[in-house]
Amino acid sequence: GESVGLHLPTLSVQEGDNSIINCAYSNSASDYFIWYKQESGKGPQFIIDIRSNMDKRQGQRVTVLLNKTVKHLSLQIAATQPGDSAVYFCAETYSGGGADGLTFGKGTHLIIQP
Amino acid sequence: DADVTQTPRNRITKTGKRIMLECSQTKGHDRMYWYRQDPGLGLRLIYYSFDVKDINKGEISDGYSVSRQAQAKFSLSLESAIPNQTALYFCATSSWTGAGETQYFGPGTRLLVL
Repeated sequence: GESVGLHLPTLSVQEGDNSIINCAYSNSASDYFIWYKQESGKGPQFIIDIRSNMDKRQGQRVTVLLNKTVKHLSLQIAATQPGDSAVYFCAETYSGGGADGLTFGKGTHLIIQP
Repeated sequence: DADVTQTPRNRITKTGKRIMLECSQTKGHDRMYWYRQDPGLGLRLIYYSFDVKDINKGEISDGYSVSRQAQAKFSLSLESAIPNQTALYFCATSSWTGAGETQYFGPGTRLLVL
């Protein structure tokens, strides 16, 4: 079946720098995308979502960009802080398909260097 | 997320034993899910339920069963535990808004099968 995947398993950035985490998806019918953050020992937490009728959505220090042409999703974190260290998952679903749950990527481990 | 609780948080059992993992939510959501997380494999869907009378198999349902006792409770059972069921198990809930589905996860249950 089709799946969502992430390009890099680990991303290391300096504290204060911006981080960009990428995600490729293959299901062209997917129209709703979510980024989750999972800290060690905890369950995934919702960060930000975007629908396919949008290219960009901004939250507090985070921005999600969606490029439907190349089926690419990215999460930008501005001025990274130690608390941003976590594994980040993208997830996708098709809103018209009854939704048998989200399809998750394997995750990118973001490491913040002091 | 304190709105979704899982018990136990940690469990060690022996091969062949039947065990039950429980999930409760106070978010009032109709939809509940059980996922399994293994290193390098991300989250995989085991079972999901859209309401009390609706149970559906996910990607990896073999060896598992579920019970939706009430809107707020969704339990996962391992009929006869085997070592390759050692993993981190997450319960999640969601509410379909028509605009998309965001899932909220419990803290996870770490299961070790000896």
